[in-house]
Amino acid sequence: DSGVTQTPKHLITATGQRVTLRCSPRSGDLSVYWYQQSLDQGLQFLIQYYNGEERAKGNILERFSAQQFPDLHSELNLSSLELGDSALYFCASSVEHSGANVLTFGAGSRLTVL
Amino acid sequence: DAKTTQPPSMDCAEGRAANLPCNHSTISGNEYVYWYRQIHSQGPQYIIHGLKNNETNEMASLIITEDRKSSTLILPHATLRDTAVYYCIVRSHTGNQFYFGTGTSLTVIP
Repeated sequence: DSGVTQTPKHLITATGQRVTLRCSPRSGDLSVYWYQQSLDQGLQFLIQYYNGEERAKGNILERFSAQQFPDLHSELNLSSLELGDSALYFCASSVEHSGANVLTFGAGSRLTVL
Repeated sequence: DAKTTQPPSMDCAEGRAANLPCNHSTISGNEYVYWYRQIHSQGPQYIIHGLKNNETNEMASLIITEDRKSSTLILPHATLRDTAVYYCIVRSHTGNQFYFGTGTSLTVIP
């Protein structure tokens, strides 16, 4: 158990629908990152939050949005789902201090869009 | 952040040392080298990181060349459970994202 909790583990839905993925960071970590991994693809960075504020944005589609709440958990919202959105979605957290910064990943949420 | 180049795949005999190379020729002075691995669809797992000096922990050793343009991750006694995709990442401590690239798929052979 890495200490980063992601729910749900598996989710099956239909095209056009909306889903919310949830991430609870490791205790003490202020930063949350979201990554998408499609079948046999690398990890694509989506977005990062630090202490409630958006810090960096990667290849995140306009149909996707995220936020980090005061208790530091984060949610990734995926709307108007398409077949191509089927993927593993990973959340990672880190302490964010000067010097090296180590990410701790959750087990992922597997989204299947039918 | 500097990009990295890794061989797409490698094999290693069980019990032998696995040496995974990474080229990061455009690395700058404040950028760290990190290694992660991902075992079949699990969340990536941190292995080790370094700035200039060689590093060792309970999982692996990291050898960084003097010019810092390349590094090698060493798994001293590979086991079947080390079969995974290994990612070499270069990132400054102020950088905003970890760019994972395509990594090296290591297969440990019995």
